[in-house]
Amino acid sequence: DGGITQSPKYLFRKEGQNVTLSCEQNLNHDAMYWYRQDPGQGLRLIYYSQIVNDFQKGDIAEGYSVSREKKESFPLTVTSAQKNPTAFYLCASNTGERNTEAFFGQGTRLTVV
Amino acid sequence: KQEVTQIPAALSVPEGENLVLNCSFTDSAIYNLQWFRQDPGKGLTSLLLIQSSQREQTSGRLNASLDKSSGRSTLYIAASQPGDSATYLCAGLNTNAGKSTFGDGTTLTVKP
Repeated sequence: DGGITQSPKYLFRKEGQNVTLSCEQNLNHDAMYWYRQDPGQGLRLIYYSQIVNDFQKGDIAEGYSVSREKKESFPLTVTSAQKNPTAFYLCASNTGERNTEAFFGQGTRLTVV
Repeated sequence: KQEVTQIPAALSVPEGENLVLNCSFTDSAIYNLQWFRQDPGKGLTSLLLIQSSQREQTSGRLNASLDKSSGRSTLYIAASQPGDSATYLCAGLNTNAGKSTFGDGTTLTVKP
């Protein structure tokens, strides 16, 4: 089955630690995105990548980093510089063309302990 | 900068009722508008995608319309069921760099 897989589903981070969230897609999509969702709010764009080895900052990139070494993978690292990392993180992908439908993974819930 | 607003933030209706969810956007320069459903603690499921050249799309009991000139989209749900209870989000794909802007969603509760 084609789709987007995020792992882990739940992640706990201690203060000062870096953690990496995984996002893998087998849809052959060129573009991938990371969003953050806080309770009762919509999605805010963290980073996005439209092609391998290239990515751009979204609206709230501070404290996060990404890489895009392979077309199917777009991992997100939440660094210790991110002061309020507790949130629900969603990965999405699409073809990158203008009339394109976006598909989402099931999300990773990150909690600082 | 594109802003997307969804009204109301929450809606509760009895089973069987027809209902309309609203989505408004400030910048009409969008390629498409997509409606999603989100269940608690889950990712987003795509419901309908309306291209900028289209005015509406239908899937089963769902019908979405798009009026770019007025900056509005609506999602019509016919004969609502308790299983329709979820949060519904709309997103406009902006013309710059393929980035989408999301509304905060409408949380729908359908009571049996």
